Amino acid sequence: ILNVEQSPQSLHVQEGDSTNFTCSFPSSNFYALHWYRWETAKSPEALFVMTLNGDEKKKGRISATLNTKEGYSYLYIKGSQPEDSATYLCASSSGSARQLTFGSGTQLTVLP
Amino acid sequence: EPEVTQTPSHQVTQMGQEVILRCVPISNHLYFYWYRQILGQKVEFLVSFYNNEISEKSEIFDDQFSVERPDGSNFTLKIRSTKLEDSAMYFCASGLTRAGGSNGELFFGEGSRLTVL
Repeated sequence: ILNVEQSPQSLHVQEGDSTNFTCSFPSSNFYALHWYRWETAKSPEALFVMTLNGDEKKKGRISATLNTKEGYSYLYIKGSQPEDSATYLCASSSGSARQLTFGSGTQLTVLP
Repeated sequence: EPEVTQTPSHQVTQMGQEVILRCVPISNHLYFYWYRQILGQKVEFLVSFYNNEISEKSEIFDDQFSVERPDGSNFTLKIRSTKLEDSAMYFCASGLTRAGGSNGELFFGEGSRLTVL
C-alpha cells in the first residue's frame, strides 16, 4: 500500500489570491498521479492524470506539475474564485499496485 | 454528459444484515471500481472489476464482500453480514482504461452512505 500525503489539510484564501498545495507520494516504481476536485455532496471529478517526470498540465486557472524523482506534485490555482472551493484529492499508483491510493485531500475555501 | 449513478444515496441497516449497493457505470466504460471513505479517513480502494471478473482487490475486500455485474449495465457491491465498521460512504467509479495509468481517469458516482447500527 502506497503512502500518499497532502498538505495543507485545509486552506482559506481570499477571492483573487493564487494558491498551491502539495501531494507527496513514493517515487520508487511510480506509475501515475491523478488529481481530483471534490465538491461537497457531489462526486469527485478528474482534473489531471500525469505520468511523466516534469509533466505540467493546465485546465483554465488550474495547473499541476509533477516530479517523479522526488515524489511530489503541486496543484496551482491562479486567481481563486469562490466556485473553486472544494476538496482537492491526489492519488498515486505504482507499477506493482495499479489501483489508486488517495491522499486525505486539501480542503480549499475561497472567501468572497 | 454521461455520469455514474449510485443507489441508494443513504442506507441504514442493522448489524448482521445484508446490503446491496448499486451502480450504473458510464455505458462504454470497461473498468469498474468500488472505493469507500470512512468518516474522517482517506478514500480507500476496495475492488476493481474488468471483463466480468475481479482484477484487483484490497485487504478490506474480504469474504463478506462481493461484486457482480449481472446484466451488463448494473455493477453491485454486496456486503453479506454488515459490521459497525462497514459504516462509510461507498463510491462506485468507472473508466475507459485501467485506472492508475495515463488517461486512466476515474468517473465517480456521488456515493452511497451506509450506516450500520
